[in-house]
Amino acid sequence: QVQLQESGPGLVKPSGTLSLTCAVSGGSITSTNWWSWVRQSPGKGLEWIGEIFHNGRVNYNPSLKSQVTISIDKSKNQFSLRLNSVTAADTAVYFCAREGYYYDSGGYPFDYWGQGTLVTVSS
Amino acid sequence: EIVLTQSPGTLSLSPGERATLSCRASQSVSDNYLAWYQQKPGQAPRLLIRDASRRATGISDRFSGSGSGTDFTLTISRLEPEDFAMYYCQQYGNSPRTFGQGTKVEI
Repeated sequence: QVQLQESGPGLVKPSGTLSLTCAVSGGSITSTNWWSWVRQSPGKGLEWIGEIFHNGRVNYNPSLKSQVTISIDKSKNQFSLRLNSVTAADTAVYFCAREGYYYDSGGYPFDYWGQGTLVTVSS
Repeated sequence: EIVLTQSPGTLSLSPGERATLSCRASQSVSDNYLAWYQQKPGQAPRLLIRDASRRATGISDRFSGSGSGTDFTLTISRLEPEDFAMYYCQQYGNSPRTFGQGTKVEI
């Protein structure tokens, strides 16, 4: 059973950098899946931030592209999120999720999720 | 980006009743790569339906998905107490991935 666990500071100062890590267990991060970050705030609902493949290929949401870096550490079976120049609008619950590849259709839905971690941007 | 609009915003029903939730896309969803998720307070979303109509592993057959192109539906045939929650649709056929704003199914 694949499990994902987010970790990182719960409080970040305005203009600072939000950094989170997602540890993957029960499966290899080098499998044929993409790995994503999604956030949820009362004002904007669920928002996809970006994704990474084990070869380092990334795709970002254009609305956040200038702020976001997603990286992968295959030796530790984990991937990470950095969000620069944060403001109060970046306060949200941040989830990491697996986009699982399904051979019967070729699609990548979010099939496994971490429990989520609340990050508050405040001085 | 593809905008997903869910309706209604809230659905007030009783256990045993049928729930019908709608998700409309601003443009056609590639390959009908449309998923439905259930979310309860304090929990992560849970995948119910993928590819518009395929139930995810371990999901009750009370849940079914239908539709194609721009119009999709999630049906819960007979509501159980544990089904009262938020439901979101999401498309993964195009980038950026996008979610609907959600439908709350309440008692």
